[in-house]
Amino acid sequence: DITLTQSPDSLPVSLGEGATINCKSSQSVLNSATNKNQIGWYQQRPGQPPKLVIYWASTRASGVPDRFTGSGSGTDFTLTINSLQPEDVAVYYCQQYYSSPWTFGQGTKVEIK
Amino acid sequence: QVLLQQWGAGLLKSSETLSLTCGVSGGSFRGFYWTWIRQSPGRGLEWIGEINHSGFTDYNPSLKSRVTISVDTSKKEIYLKLISVTDADRAVYYCAKGRGPLGDWGQGTLVIVSS
Repeated sequence: DITLTQSPDSLPVSLGEGATINCKSSQSVLNSATNKNQIGWYQQRPGQPPKLVIYWASTRASGVPDRFTGSGSGTDFTLTINSLQPEDVAVYYCQQYYSSPWTFGQGTKVEIK
Repeated sequence: QVLLQQWGAGLLKSSETLSLTCGVSGGSFRGFYWTWIRQSPGRGLEWIGEINHSGFTDYNPSLKSRVTISVDTSKKEIYLKLISVTDADRAVYYCAKGRGPLGDWGQGTLVIVSS
């Protein structure tokens, strides 16, 4: 199975400041046939199911504000939140869908400093 | 916008069978994959398996011997069965639409296993 390791586990950020979450994969998730990285990012607020934020490593899901940006390739990926808003407080997970079984990172909790 | 609604027993005894249903409304059913995920404090988010409208399935090897996912396209429902549950199966269970990126999720069902 592919292991995804996120850092940090917890990220205190002041409102209006930026937040950067890292996700490292135990093997490359770059599909050489499509040249797409098969990584997604999810946001989970308390008591809610996860919500897709980013897929193919850098494509924003429908309705996601443009302050959310995904980047990276191969084994190293980043989710950046520019100008943190109160509604961005949540746990964020990366997920790989390159190799079954699909797996998730352990999560990064973004909170207000 | 598709809506996924889950239902099923949330309190089980050890060794019983977990049975959950996910109903799909407001969108197309055919042509998509449907996935079951569970979440627990100990295991985090864990992919259980997936099925398409034709009944093709793929399961997490860690659960494959105990899990069955099935579908009724006429009812637009997806089913999850997990046999011989233990306390380790205590989790919130979600159904979701998609294969890989999961764009729509059910509300989640908390399953508690008592001994």
